[in-house]
Amino acid sequence: DAGVIQSPRHEVTEMGQEVTLRCKPISGHNSLFWYRQTMMRGLELLIYFNNNVPIDDSGMPEDRFSAKMPNASFSTLKIQPSEPRDSAVYFCASSLNRANEQFFGPGTRLTVL
Amino acid sequence: QKEVEQNSGPLSVPEGAIASLNCTYSDRGSQSFFWYRQYSGKSPELIMSIYSNGDKEDGRFTAQLNKASQYVSLLIRDSQPSDSATYLCAVNLSGNTGKLIFGQGTTLQVKP
Repeated sequence: DAGVIQSPRHEVTEMGQEVTLRCKPISGHNSLFWYRQTMMRGLELLIYFNNNVPIDDSGMPEDRFSAKMPNASFSTLKIQPSEPRDSAVYFCASSLNRANEQFFGPGTRLTVL
Repeated sequence: QKEVEQNSGPLSVPEGAIASLNCTYSDRGSQSFFWYRQYSGKSPELIMSIYSNGDKEDGRFTAQLNKASQYVSLLIRDSQPSDSATYLCAVNLSGNTGKLIFGQGTTLQVKP
């Protein structure tokens, strides 16, 4: 069975540009999580969805960040406009239900110049 | 006080030895605890979950949980160079909300 799929794997963009990261959770999983990892702050939860509904977005750093989950098999994390301090690795994870084990995708390495 | 604390290391052990990784957490109501392994440049990989006090063994890995002391540990027996990675402790906050709080990770180096 395929794991969590993320795209793109690498993204290099210039400050001010819009960035869209994509995630396909494991089939049958009903919870989806977006994380950001940096050396300074470690792994931080940005937002999570349960049954396609956003449950907790308290980790979203600013209004420049938004996330959607239009259906059970797809989610996006958008940054508009992007800034150099947004450079990080962004992970998507999914779980069978929100209290269960989470499985991570390969991540998207974002560099904002 | 950080919600989940780990010694950043590096923890260096010789091949074949037991590696002991420790984690403390602040939320006394936490119910679910996880250990992830992360190789450099890769994503976190789940290796153990534990929900009840005591020990849970899976192959060379043993997770230990003591809720009274708010302490969870991971033991790796017969350590191999391939175990060299960063180990992340994650705690699910009270109410099993799904919100995992991760420690900063402990870097393990297993020397041949």
